[in-house]
Amino acid sequence: DGGITQSPKYLFRKEGQNVTLSCEQNLNHDAMYWYRQDPGQGLRLIYYSQIVNDFQKGDIAEGYSVSREKKESFPLTVTSAQKNPTAFYLCASSRRNRGLNTGELFFGEGSRLTVL
Amino acid sequence: KQEVTQIPAALSVPEGENLVLNCSFTDSAIYNLQWFRQDPGKGLTSLLLIQSSQREQTSGRLNASLDKSSGRSTLYIAASQPGDSATYLCAVSLNQAGTALIFGKGTTLSVSS
Repeated sequence: DGGITQSPKYLFRKEGQNVTLSCEQNLNHDAMYWYRQDPGQGLRLIYYSQIVNDFQKGDIAEGYSVSREKKESFPLTVTSAQKNPTAFYLCASSRRNRGLNTGELFFGEGSRLTVL
Repeated sequence: KQEVTQIPAALSVPEGENLVLNCSFTDSAIYNLQWFRQDPGKGLTSLLLIQSSQREQTSGRLNASLDKSSGRSTLYIAASQPGDSATYLCAVSLNQAGTALIFGKGTTLSVSS
């Protein structure tokens, strides 16, 4: 089945450690996104990538890094510089139609990161 | 600054009721509006996408309307079922690239049997 796979589903980290969240899609979508969801708040954009080997900062990029070496993959690294990393992280993608982004987002199942 | 508000924050209804979820936004200059469903601990599932030039979209028992001039969208759920219990989120896109989505905080719906 086509879709977006995020792993791990749950992750525990000690303070000072970097962790990498995986996001893989087989939808042949060009654009991929990382969002953070906290209780009582709307989703906030961390990073996005419109094409391979290119990515841009979102609203809350500090303490995070990404790479886009393959169209299918957009991993997110939560670094020790992120002051409050405990959150639910969601990866999304969207397709282009005749070169234009359709604007419809498709999400993975999420990864819950807890810092101990 | 664009803000998206969803009222009520929570809603409980008996099975079989028709119901309306509300989403309002402060700036009418949107590219599209999307409704999502989120089950506890899960990702978001896209329900309906309304382009700024459209007035409504329908999928099964769901109907979403958009009134840009008044900054409002409604999600109508017909003949609600316990399986409809979830949090419903709306998001407005400020550009075609999908890089400027503003999400509401959601309405948590509980349908009792």
